[in-house]
Amino acid sequence: DTEVTQTPKHLVMGMTNKKSLKCEQHMGHRAMYWYKQKAKKPPELMFVYSYEKLSINESVPSRFSPECPNSSLLNLHLHALQPEDSALYLCASSQDDTEAFFGQGTRLTVV
Amino acid sequence: AQKITQTQPGMFVQEKEAVTLDCTYDTSDPSYGLFWYKQPSSGEMIFLIYQGSYDQQNATEGRYSLNFQKARKSANLVISASQLGDSAMYFCAMRETYSGAGSYQLTFGKGTKLSVIP
Repeated sequence: DTEVTQTPKHLVMGMTNKKSLKCEQHMGHRAMYWYKQKAKKPPELMFVYSYEKLSINESVPSRFSPECPNSSLLNLHLHALQPEDSALYLCASSQDDTEAFFGQGTRLTVV
Repeated sequence: AQKITQTQPGMFVQEKEAVTLDCTYDTSDPSYGLFWYKQPSSGEMIFLIYQGSYDQQNATEGRYSLNFQKARKSANLVISASQLGDSAMYFCAMRETYSGAGSYQLTFGKGTKLSVIP
């Protein structure tokens, strides 16, 4: 099973809303990631969790707040987003340096 | 300077033909890894193939093979016997820093949009 599951698949939120994106993997991977992908652009790394601890934060605004409740789950809490934050948010996981598996992504629209 | 360069914004290939997608990279790290991903319009990033910098042989996975030329810093993806379902965006990516704790950063190229013609 090489599956990374993200929910929801689509999300529309207002600029004053609070919402959360969820990511789950059951491959026993110890590293999990959030990437942001704008239309017609490559993915860009946002956060890295290693053994449930935040190891990399790529200067992401504080309106994005990651959380790793356990080794299988990764959340991204969203608050007071801007329309320019509209993008595809991809979760990924890895166990070693030879492969990283991505989920289907959440298409976020901020109105 | 770009670390990953994909010079072909778009490519067309006839069904059942082979196609090569170009990727060049720039790194001074002696230990690195190169990945290829496929992204259909649905958005999912599908892992295709991996090549480590110390691997002696070119990686292969079914219809996918990676033409790794280390001295030229190129890692081209070859898709044999193209199928209509291969139409998608293809990204080349590089891992430079491996923390040893199972986590690393992937840097992606801008991608190549492949269209397979019946």
